[in-house]
Amino acid sequence: NAGVMQNPRHLVRRRGQEARLRCSPMKGHSHVYWYRQLPEEGLKFMVYLQKENIIDESGMPKERFSAEFPKEGPSILRIQQVVRGDSAAYFCASSPRQGRTNEKLFFGSGTQLSVL
Amino acid sequence: DQQVKQNSPSLSVQEGRISILNCDYTNSMFDYFLWYKKYPAEGPTFLISISSIKDKNEDGRFTVFLNKSAKHLSLHIVPSQPGDSAVYFCAASGRRGNKLVFGAGTILRVKS
Repeated sequence: NAGVMQNPRHLVRRRGQEARLRCSPMKGHSHVYWYRQLPEEGLKFMVYLQKENIIDESGMPKERFSAEFPKEGPSILRIQQVVRGDSAAYFCASSPRQGRTNEKLFFGSGTQLSVL
Repeated sequence: DQQVKQNSPSLSVQEGRISILNCDYTNSMFDYFLWYKKYPAEGPTFLISISSIKDKNEDGRFTVFLNKSAKHLSLHIVPSQPGDSAVYFCAASGRRGNKLVFGAGTILRVKS
């Protein structure tokens, strides 16, 4: 049962280090979304990607954050020079098509990032 | 700017009774609404959705009601079961549909 796979499940980084979060979408899905959940809050949209294209990055912080979804391999969310405020659960979701994708958003189990 | 609000952080219900989870939104451009369920250490799982052209959608024990004039929706679970204990997120999207706006969630506890 190849659902949305995220790794690592837990990631600990010291301030100033880089964090790389990986997401492999469900088989056959070419649309990937990243969301972040801060403590006591709901999930906040970060970025929407298709293969080799960033479609909507309106939720991404302007600095230190980047995302990619290459032709081959998983989607990567990269956070450079992490700060304590980056500590959160990062969820990836995938869908098979554009348009009314929301009904078919499948989420991974998330990566819990802790910045010391 | 919270466009989707779930004002009850938690709800406790007896097994077999009805659970009612509420959600309010402020953006009149939202036209599609969803409920997701989340267990600890897992990702959200889609539960049920409703389009703005409807005022009710039912799927088994789960029913979602939409009141567009009040910008309010609710999720009814009846009868509630202990396995329903989870965090429930309300989410909304606009016509382009490529991103969801989530509420902060309501923790539902169903007591046996």
